[in-house]
Amino acid sequence: DVKVTQSSRYLVKRTGEKVFLECVQDMDHENMFWYRQDPGLGLRLIYFSYDVKMKEKGDIPEGYSVSREKKERFSLILESASTNQTSMYLCASSLNRLNEKLFFGSGTQLSVL
Amino acid sequence: KQEVTQIPAALSVPEGENLVLNCSFTDSAIYNLQWFRQDPGKGLTSLLLIQSSQREQTSGRLNASLDKSSGRSTLYIAASQPGDSATYLCAFQEAGTALIFGKGTTLSVSS
Repeated sequence: DVKVTQSSRYLVKRTGEKVFLECVQDMDHENMFWYRQDPGLGLRLIYFSYDVKMKEKGDIPEGYSVSREKKERFSLILESASTNQTSMYLCASSLNRLNEKLFFGSGTQLSVL
Repeated sequence: KQEVTQIPAALSVPEGENLVLNCSFTDSAIYNLQWFRQDPGKGLTSLLLIQSSQREQTSGRLNASLDKSSGRSTLYIAASQPGDSATYLCAFQEAGTALIFGKGTTLSVSS
């Protein structure tokens, strides 16, 4: 089975800190995604990547950046964390654009104080 | 912009009932539609994926159908069990784009 691993299950940070959320997949998937999930708003796409060193903005990229230096790893960066970035962050991957079945990590609950 | 709507937002049923969850989308240029399950505080697990050329997919007690002309998909759960209690999300995809998710239906099955 595909395994998508997010480095932290819970994270507490202070306003203004730079925050790194790491995601690793073990099945040589080309596509990787970062979503955030908030009550009443559902899942919203932040950034995605279809290949190494490639990145595309999703629906809500403001305040975030990403890095994909290796195929298996996709990092989400909060340049200067703010309280409105408190959320559940979900990483996902899929094999390629012809096979888009998504596999999700277990999520990181980030609290920014 | 494409929207995905799931009705009802919440559903409670007694164990053993057959039930249907609904998902509607506003654009018929569909590439695939996926159904996911999410347990509280956890990530999403893919249940079924229906390609645009398909009408339905089945896995165990789950059956998902797709009607492109009406912009609807349904997830049928047969003989529901307490372990089926979770939030079920559908997600729509056009070719070359990322998935767009509905907000989910939270299902509670009582024993």
